[in-house]
Amino acid sequence: EIVLTQSPATLSLSPGERATLSCRASQSVSTYLTWYQQKPGQAPRLLIYDASNRATGIPARFSGSGSGTDFTLSISSLETEDFAVYYCQQRTNWPLTFGGGTKVEIK
Amino acid sequence: EVQLLESGGGLVQPGGSLRLSCAGSGFTFSNYAMSWVRQAPGKGLEWVSAINGGSSVIYYADTVKGRFTISRDNSKNTLYLQMNSLRAEDTAVYYCAKDQGVAGSSKRTFDYWGQGTLVTVSS
Repeated sequence: EIVLTQSPATLSLSPGERATLSCRASQSVSTYLTWYQQKPGQAPRLLIYDASNRATGIPARFSGSGSGTDFTLSISSLETEDFAVYYCQQRTNWPLTFGGGTKVEIK
Repeated sequence: EVQLLESGGGLVQPGGSLRLSCAGSGFTFSNYAMSWVRQAPGKGLEWVSAINGGSSVIYYADTVKGRFTISRDNSKNTLYLQMNSLRAEDTAVYYCAKDQGVAGSSKRTFDYWGQGTLVTVSS
């Protein structure tokens, strides 16, 4: 099973600041890495697929990068609606696995 | 508009059974693989099971293998999860999720999710 480790667990930032979230895989997942956003009481929402492709309707301030075992989700300038929990997920091997999440909170 | 609507959650005693349903609309249901993903209270996401459009390919997480059964009825645009021998650790919100890939090409990436149904296993 591929283990995904997200860091930091919590990121405290102010609106307008840049957020950088990390996801590290226990073995190479190529670029088969997905990012989701989840707000309290809501289902997850697809943000980025295949490491760097924004999903339909996702603002350009969200970007993803990386390959192999190290991946980054960046939010260039935080809007109030971006404060949420972010999960990475690998689709290389079964079972599909998620990282433990990074909470982006208002400082 | 793609919609996924789960139902069937509730309170069940340890060792009991429950069947979840997920009704899909706004897309050609039979063309897409579907998955169940769960989230224990205050915890992260855990993939549970996946099924392809024709029900010929099925996968399970080790934590539920042998106890849960995924199935679908494409004539009813509905996905199911039969859960037997339930344990306290199965307590979670269960989401159904649509695969992003089109017509038999599963991408194992979820572009639409239902609102979830809560399963509580407790005596």
